[in-house]
Amino acid sequence: SQTIHQWPATLVQPVGSPLSLECTVEGTSNPNLYWYRQAAGRGLQLLFYSVGIGQISSEVPQNLSASRPQDRQFILSSKKLLLSDSGFYLCAWRLSSYNSPLHFGNGTRLTVT
Amino acid sequence: KNQVEQSPQSLIILEGKNCTLQCNYTVSPFSNLRWYKQDTGRGPVSLTIMTFSENTKSNGRYTATLDADTKQSSLHITASQLSDSASYICVVLDNYGQNFVFGPGTRLSVLP
Repeated sequence: SQTIHQWPATLVQPVGSPLSLECTVEGTSNPNLYWYRQAAGRGLQLLFYSVGIGQISSEVPQNLSASRPQDRQFILSSKKLLLSDSGFYLCAWRLSSYNSPLHFGNGTRLTVT
Repeated sequence: KNQVEQSPQSLIILEGKNCTLQCNYTVSPFSNLRWYKQDTGRGPVSLTIMTFSENTKSNGRYTATLDADTKQSSLHITASQLSDSASYICVVLDNYGQNFVFGPGTRLSVLP
């Protein structure tokens, strides 16, 4: 069966420090991969998605970036964190068929101090 | 602009009672609508999917309805349990197959 791993679960980082969140998927090939940010009381905001290795689409201009170095690995990064980067970050995968659901990881709670 | 709205924002019910959550959307063109359950501190999990031609679908104690004409969906929970306490998120996929539009969620608390 397919599983998705996301880490770390929680992270406290000072303003201006770098960020690296990692997500891996097991049990499937060539998944579509997504990074979302969830703010309290608001819907999930799509940050990046990828349909293949090295293919990254950005939805929101910001100081975050994403990379997909391997088929089932998706990394969210920042060179210098801002206070506004605090939030709950979710990685997700799905198959490319239109009825395929999003399968989410358990998220990373990021607090920038 | 594609939007998904949900009501109520939060809901408190007693264990064993029923409840209904609402979702209104303006996503066009429409492909399908899903309800997700998100436990605190966890990722959302899909409960049910509704396509354009479906009016009602059940998954255990969860029953979802869809009215594609009025662009409304509801999620009915029967005989609620303490484990139903979670946020319920309505998500609409556009017909291009890539754009998921998320509602803000309804926070349900089931009390003993």
